[in-house]
Amino acid sequence: ETGVTQTPRHLVMGMTNKKSLKCEQHLGHNAMYWYKQSAKKPLELMFVYNFKEQTENNSVPSRFSPECPNSSHLFLHLHTLQPEDSALYLCASSQGTSGGDEQFFGPGTRLTVL
Amino acid sequence: QKEVEQDPGPLSVPEGAIVSLNCTYSNSAFQYFMWYRQYSRKGPELLMYTYSSGNKEDGRFTAQVDKSSKYISLFIRDSQPSDSATYLCAALYNQGGKLIFGQGTELSVKP
Repeated sequence: ETGVTQTPRHLVMGMTNKKSLKCEQHLGHNAMYWYKQSAKKPLELMFVYNFKEQTENNSVPSRFSPECPNSSHLFLHLHTLQPEDSALYLCASSQGTSGGDEQFFGPGTRLTVL
Repeated sequence: QKEVEQDPGPLSVPEGAIVSLNCTYSNSAFQYFMWYRQYSRKGPELLMYTYSSGNKEDGRFTAQVDKSSKYISLFIRDSQPSDSATYLCAALYNQGGKLIFGQGTELSVKP
């Protein structure tokens, strides 16, 4: 595996389900990110982790719960979601969080909440 | 007011045309400016990035930033059908990794 991988690629869940999205980066980076991409809206940062510590929570509802057990893995735990949470969830990683650190994106998980 | 504004298009051009994509931003604290390209069913990939004002050229692509007018541009010369994608502009502070994206412009280059 190379780059940033995300599983599953597609997920359909009911509003009462609990599911998790997984991201893994194979680039030796120290920072990882979750973004949300909804139709007709800008890509929106959700969380930033740097050296496993959360450094940014962009006012994300508590039904989204991130977890970063190490610098290579990032999870997004989902529970009691709403239909408006249906979107493409993108994971990214970078060497650090300085302006010159390029963020590499995974292919995303397409989430549909019924 | 959105921090980064971008016309979503769609934009359709014939093969070989020069394409101009533009964004404006509101926060003068932004220091880094990026253009990402996103193909259908893929994640965004970095195309160009510029620090502060100025031009940067890479092959058929030129990125321009004018901080005095808070304007970001991407020019594509001799456009190809393979350039058909959504182009996202983004801005970044000096620290923190918080990328702020525009809405994205969908570009179609017709053979």
